[in-house]
Amino acid sequence: ETGVTQTPRHLVMGMTNKKSLKCEQHLGHNAMYWYKQSAKKPLELMFVYNFKEQTENNSVPSRFSPECPNSSHLFLHLHTLQPEDSALYLCASSHGGGIVDNQPQHFGDGTRLSIL
Amino acid sequence: GNSVTQMEGPVTLSEEAFLTINCTYTATGYPSLFWYVQYPGEGLQLLLKATKADDKGSNKGFEATYRKETTSFHLEKGSVQVSDSAVYFCALRATGFQKLVFGTGTRLLVSP
Repeated sequence: ETGVTQTPRHLVMGMTNKKSLKCEQHLGHNAMYWYKQSAKKPLELMFVYNFKEQTENNSVPSRFSPECPNSSHLFLHLHTLQPEDSALYLCASSHGGGIVDNQPQHFGDGTRLSIL
Repeated sequence: GNSVTQMEGPVTLSEEAFLTINCTYTATGYPSLFWYVQYPGEGLQLLLKATKADDKGSNKGFEATYRKETTSFHLEKGSVQVSDSAVYFCALRATGFQKLVFGTGTRLLVSP
């Protein structure tokens, strides 16, 4: 139990579908992150939120739309995805940057996304 | 820029063998260094960390020492078990930055 829960664990969708990934953390953190993990590639940071505000977007296509309604919840809305978007999507949380630099990020178990 | 380089895997060992996974980094200032482990079907879990030069992080029999002079943070374990089979990621957080920079991961396979 890492304190970060992601749902669903697996998702199969067509390219025209709209779906959402959910992440919830119970660690009292104020920063949340979305990562993409593809086979044979380094972990790619997608978005960073601090205190519900998006502070980083690493040139992610607009078919991925994040939402952070509060410090405990993070969503990733998906629309018109491509086959190359199939990957493991990981959510993480931590104490916000600038507070304590050595604080680690805590990860959920991920959502395995397959685009048909 | 900041970067992490890990040895390519897979690393294949027999149970009770000695493990070393190499990690070197490039960063300005004094980054914090981390090792994460990912078991099959799971997310990343923090294994250990070190925040300043000569610090040794340790957990579950694994150790890594922050070597500023060689910019390295090699992961070691004296006697691996089958249950240690996983992918290991070295990462850094540069001073003044929030994001983690990860290496590409090293897969460890331990056979009985």
